[in-house]
Amino acid sequence: AQSVTQLDSHVSVSEGTPVLLRCNYSSSYSPSLFWYVQHPNKGLQLLLKYTSAATLVKGINGFEAEFKKSETSFHLTKPSAHMSDAAEYFCVVSGAAGNTGKLIFGQGTTLQVKP
Amino acid sequence: ETGVTQTPRHLVMGMTNKKSLKCEQHLGHNAMYWYKQSAKKPLELMFVYNFKEQTENNSVPSRFSPECPNSSHLFLHLHTLQPEDSALYLCASSQVRGVLGETQYFGPGTRLLVL
Repeated sequence: AQSVTQLDSHVSVSEGTPVLLRCNYSSSYSPSLFWYVQHPNKGLQLLLKYTSAATLVKGINGFEAEFKKSETSFHLTKPSAHMSDAAEYFCVVSGAAGNTGKLIFGQGTTLQVKP
Repeated sequence: ETGVTQTPRHLVMGMTNKKSLKCEQHLGHNAMYWYKQSAKKPLELMFVYNFKEQTENNSVPSRFSPECPNSSHLFLHLHTLQPEDSALYLCASSQVRGVLGETQYFGPGTRLLVL
């Protein structure tokens, strides 16, 4: 069975400092992994995705994530936080055999950015 | 208009009312989804349509009735809802269901309050 765990429910950073949102996954198969962002009262927007190509994935708005199979992790990072980055972030895994399209969502991490 | 749109954005209804949520995608996709997002819980997949055919129903109560007249439109008909059905209902679409690494694109959601 597949699962995803976001290790922090809430992360607070100061504007201009680095962001790290942690995600561990469990999968018996080669997974596809995604990060989505949800701003207040908005839908989910895709930040980036990993599908067995380069392990370092670059996304929109300066975010990137690194797939580490040995650690079963897919942490999201950004060198310098901006106020507009304050939102809810979801790590998502998919790719189980026979149900390759099903997305399994993490619980979400709320990112707070302080001035 | 581009992307995935949902109407209405907000809805308040009584337990005896009948209402419908509408989703439209302008991406040329063939798969559409309904998700429920409740506070403090991961996104829950409700229904999946692939080429207008319902392919998944994740044990959703019959008071929720989906309809997919064509690949661009998806409805969720609501009747005799319960207060615990209050949530954000998200619609998503993807090129086709079941492809490894497929990306789902989400609408802004309908915030539903059942009184």
